[in-house]
Amino acid sequence: SQTIHQWPATLVQPVGSPLSLECTVEGTSNPNLYWYRQAAGRGLQLLFYSVGIGQISSEVPQNLSASRPQDRQFILSSKKLLLSDSGFYLCAWMSGRAGTQYFGPGTRLTVL
Amino acid sequence: SQQGEEDPQALSIQEGENATMNCSYKTSINNLQWYRQNSGRGLVHLILIRSNEREKHSGRLRVTLDTSKKSSSLLITASRAADTASYFCATDEAKGSQGNLIFGKGTKLSVKP
Repeated sequence: SQTIHQWPATLVQPVGSPLSLECTVEGTSNPNLYWYRQAAGRGLQLLFYSVGIGQISSEVPQNLSASRPQDRQFILSSKKLLLSDSGFYLCAWMSGRAGTQYFGPGTRLTVL
Repeated sequence: SQQGEEDPQALSIQEGENATMNCSYKTSINNLQWYRQNSGRGLVHLILIRSNEREKHSGRLRVTLDTSKKSSSLLITASRAADTASYFCATDEAKGSQGNLIFGKGTKLSVKP
């Protein structure tokens, strides 16, 4: 069966510090991968998606970046965090264009 | 751009009552999905309804889709305290790329024992 992992689960970082959040998927090959951000009490905002290794599409211009160094690994990064980067970050995968996305447990990021 | 909009934003009911949540969207879609999110957790897929379907059931869940009105409803029958969560609809634009989903802001459901 497929599983998706995210770490860390929680993170508190100072403004201006770098960020690296990791997402890995097991049990499937060549998935579409997604990074979302969810502000408190709000819906999900799609940040990046990837249809293959090294292929990244950005939905919202910002100081975040994403990379996909391996088929089942998706990394969200920033060189310098802003206060507005605080939120709940969710990674998800989808098989081809099947439609259903499967979410990881999320990372709660607080930038102080 | 915002595709799905859930209504109401919050709903509080007693255990055993039915809960109905609505979702409206703007463009043509291939399918519409409902997800559930417990506080501080990831989203869990509940049900998917295709654009050529009008109604779908899964256990205590009933989803309807009216493509002429660009709306969907999620009915949870005989609610339980464990149903307390936020519920999101998600659509993929028929002309969109890669099957990406657009989520609404969600309905926060509280079921009181």
